[in-house]
Amino acid sequence: GAVVSQHPSWVICKSGTSVKIECRSLDFQATTMFWYRQFPKQSLMLMATSNEGSKATYEQGVEKDKFLINHASLTLSTLTVTSAHPEDSSFYICSGRSGGSQETQYFGPGTRLLVL
Amino acid sequence: GQNIDQPTEMTATEGAIVQINCTYQTSGFNGLFWYQQHAGEAPTFLSYNVLDGLEEKGRFSSFLSRSKGYSYLLLKELQMKDSASYLCAVSFGGYNKLIFGAGTRLAVHP
Repeated sequence: GAVVSQHPSWVICKSGTSVKIECRSLDFQATTMFWYRQFPKQSLMLMATSNEGSKATYEQGVEKDKFLINHASLTLSTLTVTSAHPEDSSFYICSGRSGGSQETQYFGPGTRLLVL
Repeated sequence: GQNIDQPTEMTATEGAIVQINCTYQTSGFNGLFWYQQHAGEAPTFLSYNVLDGLEEKGRFSSFLSRSKGYSYLLLKELQMKDSASYLCAVSFGGYNKLIFGAGTRLAVHP
């Protein structure tokens, strides 16, 4: 159980375009979803915390107008990278947590973004 | 501030035992996680400690000392497939946010 999917797994886009990444919890309701970014040979950096039906909470240094997060349902959160630039190229990973006493976050397979 | 330290790289021999240490200083503590991450893949959950002591799960064990801000992951009977990065992460705050250490790259040799 506790499967999280992400789509797409790979995306290549031109500089200035917007890219939407979907994160779905397949067999549980994720009251909270998290979005991370990971650059090569570095660890995961938390970008934002998203709760269903409310605005996302962004970490310091993450531009909320650039990285739009929507958590419309208990099984779906989306991250839109607006006006992407080459420095936004990274591995974007989401995770879901079912809430209550459930502490564990389950990670999606990640989305590799390359901005040309 | 938040700080999590773990060694950058370790090497070990197939069949041996290896211990990966993690020390942390965080404002708040809800628990400590260990994740395994193979190159180009997302992390997979290994263990979770919230109370002091040792948690054993097959070939993997994890230990926590909250007073010392210290944890370790113990891998027994190492296999080649255990070559990966091992991430120590601390959960804190009302939403149980995770802050990750930089990860320890483990190389298992024949």
